[in-house]
Amino acid sequence: TQLLEQSPQFLSIQEGENLTVYCNSSSVFSSLQWYRQEPGEGPVLLVTVVTGGEVKKLKRLTFQFGDARKDSSLHITAAQPGDTGLYLCAGGRPVAGGTSYGKLTFGQGTILTVHP
Amino acid sequence: DTGVSQNPRHKITKRGQNVTFRCDPISEHNRLYWYRQTLGQGPEFLTYFQNEAQLEKSRLLSDRFSAERPKGSFSTLEIQRTEQGDSAMYLCACRRGGATDTQYFGPGTRLTVL
Repeated sequence: TQLLEQSPQFLSIQEGENLTVYCNSSSVFSSLQWYRQEPGEGPVLLVTVVTGGEVKKLKRLTFQFGDARKDSSLHITAAQPGDTGLYLCAGGRPVAGGTSYGKLTFGQGTILTVHP
Repeated sequence: DTGVSQNPRHKITKRGQNVTFRCDPISEHNRLYWYRQTLGQGPEFLTYFQNEAQLEKSRLLSDRFSAERPKGSFSTLEIQRTEQGDSAMYLCACRRGGATDTQYFGPGTRLTVL
């Protein structure tokens, strides 16, 4: 069973602060997705990273995929109240093989609250 | 709006009743997944369809659960004899064929079993 662990589980910060969320696994994934989810809604895709060491930027959000494709991080610069939500990382097909049909393995999520 | 729709958005039912949820994926996405998400957790995989074929089912999917995708387009998830432990958000996701793992999720159906 492939497991993804996210940390921290909860994050409460003031507007303007920076933050980093981590996603770690003992397994190697072919890709990793980050999603943001608001209460009562489905996860919305933020980014997919595929190559080890890859860095992607989305406005104030920076995503990095570890060199070994086992871990990832999400960094938010100058957080705003609109960034509040549940952030989920999800691993794609494991490189170790087996048949997964592309199902995603999710971390437990990081609940971010940004206070004005 | 991801282009994936789910109905109903909310369902409240009494224990022992049957419920059915529907998912309409993005039209050109032939891979379809169902996940379940309980409060404070990430989504957990339930089942997978490639076109109309159900190719994988999780051990979470007890015999009270059945899913179909009769024409390879929309999908339904039915829960028979619901239990309070079935209360959760049921999410549908889809993706294109090929190497990409990127999935697009619907808004979910929130089930409450009283």
